[in-house]
This record gives sequence, C-alpha cells and structure tokens, in this order.
Amino acid sequence: DIQLTQSPSPLSASIGDTVAITCRASRSVQYWLAWYQQKPGKAPKLLIHKASILQSDVPSRFSGSGSETDFTLTITSLQPDDFGTYYCQQLNSNPYTFGQGTKLEIK
Amino acid sequence: QPQLLQSGPEVRKPGASVKISCKASGYSLTSYYIHWIRQAPGQGLEWMGLMRPGGAAPTYAREFQGRVAMTTDTSTSTVYLELTSLRLEDTATYFCARDVGQIAAAGSDYWGQGSLVTVSS
Repeated sequence: DIQLTQSPSPLSASIGDTVAITCRASRSVQYWLAWYQQKPGKAPKLLIHKASILQSDVPSRFSGSGSETDFTLTITSLQPDDFGTYYCQQLNSNPYTFGQGTKLEIK
Repeated sequence: QPQLLQSGPEVRKPGASVKISCKASGYSLTSYYIHWIRQAPGQGLEWMGLMRPGGAAPTYAREFQGRVAMTTDTSTSTVYLELTSLRLEDTATYFCARDVGQIAAAGSDYWGQGSLVTVSS
C-alpha cells in the first residue's frame, strides 16, 4: 500500500499568513492526488484534485502543486474559515489511501 | 445540484452485519464513481472501496475483502454498503462520496452526510 505522510501536524498560524502543508508518498502516485478540508462533525470538502486542479467553489487562495511523491497545499492570506483538518488522498493505486491529516489552528 | 442522502445510525453487536444506503439525486448515478470512506471517532479517513460507472465490478480495499459488498439499485438511484462480521473497531461514521471524475477516479466532490455505525456488545 502507498503511505502518505503529511507535515506539519498540527499547524498554528495567524490570519493573513501563508501556510504550506506537504504530503509525501511512499512511491509515485503521478499526479493522482487530492486535497480535502474537514471541519468537526462534517464531511470532507474537496479542494484540489489531480494535484493542482482547483475545485470550482474553492477560493483562489488555495493552490496545489507537486507530482510523483511530493505535493504541497498552499493557502495564502489565511482566513478564519480556513481552520480545520486537511487531508491528502492518493488515487493512483488500490487502496486509495489518505494522509493522517494536518490540523490547522488559527492563532 | 448532486446530493447523496445516507441512511440513519445503526447499532450492532460484534459478529453481526450492517447495510447502509446512499441515495443519489441531481445527477445520473451510473455515470460517476462512488467511493465508500469511513472515519472512526476522532480518527482520520479510511478508504474502503469504489463503485465504478456503468455497473462494472467494484474494487475493494484489501483490508475489507471478504466481508464487504457494495451494490447498486439503479431503479432507486441507491448504492449500498454491507459490512459483515462486525468488530468493535468497525465503529465509525461511514460516508458515500461521488468522484469528480467519470473516466478515472480523481477525488470526491459530493459527500453524503455520513452514517454512524456503533458496534458494541
């Protein structure tokens, strides 16, 4: 199975900051990587798919980059609504594993 | 607007089975992949398997093979997840989720509200 390791965890930042969450795969997933945001008691929300494609309803301050084994989710100009837990998921090979999550706390 | 509506909470004893439903509306169920994903209390997300467009055979995560079945009732636009031989560690919220892709799975853009399954003796 492909393992995904996210860092940092947890993450504390201030409003207006730029933050980056990385996701490292144990072997290549090409560009088959998605990013989600989850708030307590809610289903996850898809932010990015295929490593860098922004979902239509997601603000442009979110961006994704990377390929093969190293990926980054960047959030610029952090807003209060951006708190929550962020997960990466690889969809290159079965099982489509998730990272362990990065909890983003707003200072 | 696509929507996925899941069945309510369930309580089962160890060794029993549970079947969760997920009714799709606002789009053609058989045109998109559907994932089943679970989340134990306070834990991360765990992918269980994938139902393919057009009725092709589902793909299950190796961990669940032999005790999971994912099925579709196209007449009611409903997909089902059945998990057998339940263990205490199967206590979790189970989500169905539609994939954004129609040719290859790429990520889940629409999610059900989740179905809590509690396994307790």
